[in-house]
Amino acid sequence: GESVGLHLPTLSVQEGDNSIINCAYSNSASDYFIWYKQESGKGPQFIIDIRSNMDKRQGQRVTVLLNKTVKHLSLQIAATQPGDSAVYFCAERGGSSNTGKLIFGQGTTLQVKP
Amino acid sequence: DTEVTQTPKHLVMGMTNKKSLKCEQHMGHRAMYWYKQKAKKPPELMFVYSYEKLSINESVPSRFSPECPNSSLLNLHLHALQPEDSALYLCASSHPPRGTDTQYFGPGTRLTVL
Repeated sequence: GESVGLHLPTLSVQEGDNSIINCAYSNSASDYFIWYKQESGKGPQFIIDIRSNMDKRQGQRVTVLLNKTVKHLSLQIAATQPGDSAVYFCAERGGSSNTGKLIFGQGTTLQVKP
Repeated sequence: DTEVTQTPKHLVMGMTNKKSLKCEQHMGHRAMYWYKQKAKKPPELMFVYSYEKLSINESVPSRFSPECPNSSLLNLHLHALQPEDSALYLCASSHPPRGTDTQYFGPGTRLTVL
């Protein structure tokens, strides 16, 4: 069945370093992926998305990489700041493209050390 | 503006109470979603409305009753809940499921069932 998973439940980085959060997915037919950031007590906040016809997409301080060969997705955060501390979820659109269903990974908690 | 609002922020209710959660968006989105999120877990889809019609019910118990009065509003009516229903309830909206459909989340309602 479909599943989206993250390799590490917790990632601790030094302020100013780059962070890489990984995600593996199992449905080779998935065509759309999203990264969300969820701070404590808040709803998930959209960070960046990528379609399956792309390998890389950049935003402000964030880059998403998609490797369809090994079904792997990663989120890179440049110059990590304390405000980046949160739980990060990857999500894929599962099933028919008309359902809107998102399947979430288990989440990685990013801790930024000052 | 990518804002989804939810009221109330917090709700405490007994198992015999009837209460409602409300969600509103003014982004012109025609798909709206209810998710349930337990602590340290990813959001789990409950319901999807597309053009004000219920399109997905993820086998949610009947003590949860969704309603979509118009394209901007989504309600979740609660009755005879159980303590295990305590969770963060998230609303999201997007353009109708097609192509790439970024879902934007509200801040959630923290529900406690006593």
